Amino acid sequence: AQSVTQPDIHITVSEGASLELRCNYSYGATPYLFWYVQSPGQGLQLLLKYFSGDTLVQGIKGFEAEFKRSQSSFNLRKPSVHWSDAAEYFCAVGVGGSYIPTFGRGTSLIVHP
Amino acid sequence: DVKVTQSSRYLVKRTGEKVFLECVQDMDHENMFWYRQDPGLGLRLIYFSYDVKMKEKGDIPEGYSVSREKKERFSLILESASTNQTSMYLCASSVRRDRAQPQHFGDGTRLSIL
Repeated sequence: AQSVTQPDIHITVSEGASLELRCNYSYGATPYLFWYVQSPGQGLQLLLKYFSGDTLVQGIKGFEAEFKRSQSSFNLRKPSVHWSDAAEYFCAVGVGGSYIPTFGRGTSLIVHP
Repeated sequence: DVKVTQSSRYLVKRTGEKVFLECVQDMDHENMFWYRQDPGLGLRLIYFSYDVKMKEKGDIPEGYSVSREKKERFSLILESASTNQTSMYLCASSVRRDRAQPQHFGDGTRLSIL
């Protein structure tokens, strides 16, 4: 069965600094990969997805992610963080033959002024 | 845009009550899901449905049941609420393909069982 690991439970950055949130997956073939963001008191919103093709994927709110097959990773990046980016971020993986994605446990982003 | 609407943002019920959480989506999605979210545990799948009247157990179905009589509506039922079911409940929907597709989530229902 596939699995998803988000190694960092919390990440603290200063406003304006760059950001990288880590996501590692375990699956034999090429998975479908997703990043979601959850603002306080809200549901999850899709930031970006990777299905195939270009391994650098652009998303909403200025985020991007890079699929690295050799490292089984799909890390989320943003060059300059804004205070409104403070939220919970979830990585998810989808595999062939299943409608159900597997979610990581999430990384909580704290932004200092 | 897809809209997934959960009937209540906040709900307070008593132990032993039968509780209904309702979810409606407006994009004709085949798949619908119920998750619960607890601090440190991420999202845990309770039940999902891939078609009307079809349902499959997720990772933590005990104490819950679901109903999908219409394509757009997916209900979660707590047969006899207990305090350990206090949680945030999230509904989601997606199109049905051969692999998991992006999910669209409601804003969640924060349920407290007293």
